[in-house]
Amino acid sequence: SYELTQSSSVSVSPGQTASITCSGDELGDKYVYWYQQRPAQPPVLVIYQDTKRPSGIPERFSGSISGNTATLTISGTQALDEADYYCQAWDSSTGVFGGGTKLTVL
Amino acid sequence: EVQVVESGGGLVQPGGSLRLSCVASGFSFSTYWMHWVRQAPGKGLVWVSRISSDGTSVAYADSVKGRFTISRDNAKKTLFLQMNSLAAEDTALYYCARDQGYSYGSPDGMDVWGQGTTVTVSS
Repeated sequence: SYELTQSSSVSVSPGQTASITCSGDELGDKYVYWYQQRPAQPPVLVIYQDTKRPSGIPERFSGSISGNTATLTISGTQALDEADYYCQAWDSSTGVFGGGTKLTVL
Repeated sequence: EVQVVESGGGLVQPGGSLRLSCVASGFSFSTYWMHWVRQAPGKGLVWVSRISSDGTSVAYADSVKGRFTISRDNAKKTLFLQMNSLAAEDTALYYCARDQGYSYGSPDGMDVWGQGTTVTVSS
């Protein structure tokens, strides 16, 4: 079955740039989505179709993809960005999530 | 307000069944694909199933195929997940989510999520 791989944790200082990566076979041929999940809250879509930002999501969130690796970048990271981040893609119309990356802002 | 609200979770014995519901409001439910996603305690998100807007196309994760059935009643703006032959590994918070629908005929991002309903499978 298809798998997406994320690093388990990333740490960043306030105001700095955080990069969270997601890799998978032939990921460049699929759309990648990114979700933010704060503790005890449902996920929130922050990036869709690789690079697009839903309305209401701050401009400091951006997405990119190169080859088989997608990256979620948070510029000027704020304390409220501390959360778990999941990448997701569709493989033959079935959904696959990465294992999640815990972003710590310290 | 655009929202979805799940219900129907609870404690069930291994081998038992449960039917989850998700009521939508604030948007044209019948025009959107819908999904179920689950999250075991302390674990990550796992996609479970999706259904097309008219209910004619469905898909399941391998882990639930043959045991779970997704369906919808567009007149009642309600999504369902019938879960049979439940096992301990099905214990999770189950989320209902709306597909944003920007990829015609294909699943897309999930842009509206409920708070979830908890399913616990234990004897």
